[in-house]
Amino acid sequence: QQKVQQSPESLIVPEGGMASLNCTSSDRNVDYFWWYRQHSGKSPKMLMSIFSNGEKEEGRFTVHLNKASLHTSLHIRDSQPSDSALYLCAASNSGTYQRFGTGTKLQVVP
Amino acid sequence: EAAVTQSPRNKVTVTGGNVTLSCRQTNSHNYMYWYRQDTGHGLRLIHYSYGAGNLQIGDVPDGYKATRTTQEDFFLLLELASPSQTSLYFCASSEGLGVYEQYFGPGTRLTVL
Repeated sequence: QQKVQQSPESLIVPEGGMASLNCTSSDRNVDYFWWYRQHSGKSPKMLMSIFSNGEKEEGRFTVHLNKASLHTSLHIRDSQPSDSALYLCAASNSGTYQRFGTGTKLQVVP
Repeated sequence: EAAVTQSPRNKVTVTGGNVTLSCRQTNSHNYMYWYRQDTGHGLRLIHYSYGAGNLQIGDVPDGYKATRTTQEDFFLLLELASPSQTSLYFCASSEGLGVYEQYFGPGTRLTVL
């Protein structure tokens, strides 16, 4: 069973628009959430991490975390074609490895 | 920045063949990982290690062996390869386990005919 669920599977947004990606863990023992970005033909690279309830912003990227519901979301404002990629969410705690979801494929169209 | 390299980058073998995938990291990281990536399944952990001589199983270990010979080198072994093991394999490393960022290698595409 997939312990990290991501939605939607795929998403198309216009250039300049807002992209919103969701991730929920069914494992109540996790404390840390990660977002990795994987461009086509490349390897995943960590984009953002969030460990505390609330919001974290880095440039055009904002991550939210609700620990009670084990839900995190990634929001990309002013989306650019270069943001087109597979976005992978992962969850872990201090004693476990990161477990990944199946990803959301984002396409930003001009 | 962390440097993780993998070889070969592409490999084709036949059913029943033996395959060894190699990974090297030059960051003095304690942990190394082997993943497979398949459409619809995301990244799935096969094996990981926290140091030379250590091996831990991940979520999909069946049909795979692995060995960590040094802090830098981690190998994935497929004995009697099957078509179901056709996949994109990534190696990664991290300083620690759950609270540390993982750094990924470029991947090895394996095809089992």
